[in-house]
Amino acid sequence: ETGVTQSPTHLIKTRGQQVTLRCSSQSGHNTVSWYQQALGQGPQFIFQYYREEENGRGNFPPRFSGLQFPNYSSELNVNALELDDSALYLCASSLGLAEEYEQYFGPGTRLTVT
Amino acid sequence: AQSVTQLDSQVPVFEEAPVELRCNYSSSVSVYLFWYVQYPNQGLQLLLKYLSGSTLVESINGFEAEFNKSQTSFHLRKPSVHISDTAEYFCAVSESNAGNMLTFGGGTRLMVKP
Repeated sequence: ETGVTQSPTHLIKTRGQQVTLRCSSQSGHNTVSWYQQALGQGPQFIFQYYREEENGRGNFPPRFSGLQFPNYSSELNVNALELDDSALYLCASSLGLAEEYEQYFGPGTRLTVT
Repeated sequence: AQSVTQLDSQVPVFEEAPVELRCNYSSSVSVYLFWYVQYPNQGLQLLLKYLSGSTLVESINGFEAEFNKSQTSFHLRKPSVHISDTAEYFCAVSESNAGNMLTFGGGTRLMVKP
């Protein structure tokens, strides 16, 4: 069983640009969540997808959007990048929505916006 | 909405000494509680969780945490730390019937000194 992988590892973008971050969940995991972790802070919930539909969303503007695909991969898209979007972006996958299903985190993508 | 407070941003401790990392939460509904550990340049790993049953939960590497509903706390303890325990520790909660979307605290950096 492979772990959760994310690409790219690091990314530098300019303010105003758009970015797509990718996550490959563990096989069979139909739930994926995305988190933003600013430097020195705890992760903040962005949104969650369950069976390719958005299941919940945190306090993030609509320029943060996502997709989940049938092959257990997912994307986080951010439009009109701002300096404050600089952070580590983590995805986490699980077998389902119930709390007893452990969330497995990827290593993250570090996004720097200049 | 729930929130999580980790009262100590950094905890320095000598090897083989005991340690307690404090976590308090607020929520208007029942919650599930988690501790995650993050080693440098890695994603989050689940350390232990409380879903129901015994309020004292243990991890395989000697950590334990006790759910105290009256004090809304879930403090993490270890009787004797090792150098390898040096990492960032995050307390997190999810609300019952809200899927496994997590709200994290700001983290506590445990620094074990020889």
